[in-house]
Amino acid sequence: LAKTTQPISMDSYEGQEVNITCSHNNIATNDYITWYQQFPSQGPRFIIQGYKTKVTNEVASLFIPADRKSSTLSLPRVSLSDTAVYYCLVGDPPGGYQKVTFGTGTKLQVIP
Amino acid sequence: DAGITQSPRYKITETGRQVTLMCHQTWSHSYMFWYRQDLGHGLRLIYYSAAADITDKGEVPDGYVVSRSKTENFPLTLESATRSQTSVYFCASSERTGGSPLHFGNGTRLTVT
Repeated sequence: LAKTTQPISMDSYEGQEVNITCSHNNIATNDYITWYQQFPSQGPRFIIQGYKTKVTNEVASLFIPADRKSSTLSLPRVSLSDTAVYYCLVGDPPGGYQKVTFGTGTKLQVIP
Repeated sequence: DAGITQSPRYKITETGRQVTLMCHQTWSHSYMFWYRQDLGHGLRLIYYSAAADITDKGEVPDGYVVSRSKTENFPLTLESATRSQTSVYFCASSERTGGSPLHFGNGTRLTVT
């Protein structure tokens, strides 16, 4: 069961790049790394997922080193609307999610 | 519209009453999940279902009952509500394919008085 560790909170100014790192030392071979974003009064929303190396989509990039013991979510040029809680999940979805814990996530505050 | 819908959005009930939270998805996803979210605990899994008529316990199942007679519906019932069950409840669904992410509803805020 992969336990994840991520910072409780981060502040960033608008227009800056934000990197949120997640540690997952005991990641298993079949586990994916998935990041979710949650705004107040809404359910979490899928942002990006990867298995190894680098993944990029229209909203973020995910960097995964060769040993897969950590991962970094990169948000380019953040705006006020990126203020949210970001969760890192490590597991083998969907069936393996019975064993996955969301944790408390990283609260990102974007400052004007 | 396709998606996952939870109802009601808000609910206030009294201790000891039975209450059912509804979850409906239009994607025909095989997997469905119920989470509760409390300050300081993140999201914790209550129950999940791999398919119709297949359900199993998650991390915090005590005091809850689920059923899944149809693929698209996954109701969560609190048989005798307690104040400790005051929380925000989220339903999620996922395709069966390995690596498929979760898709969440917008939650039900339940207050037990």
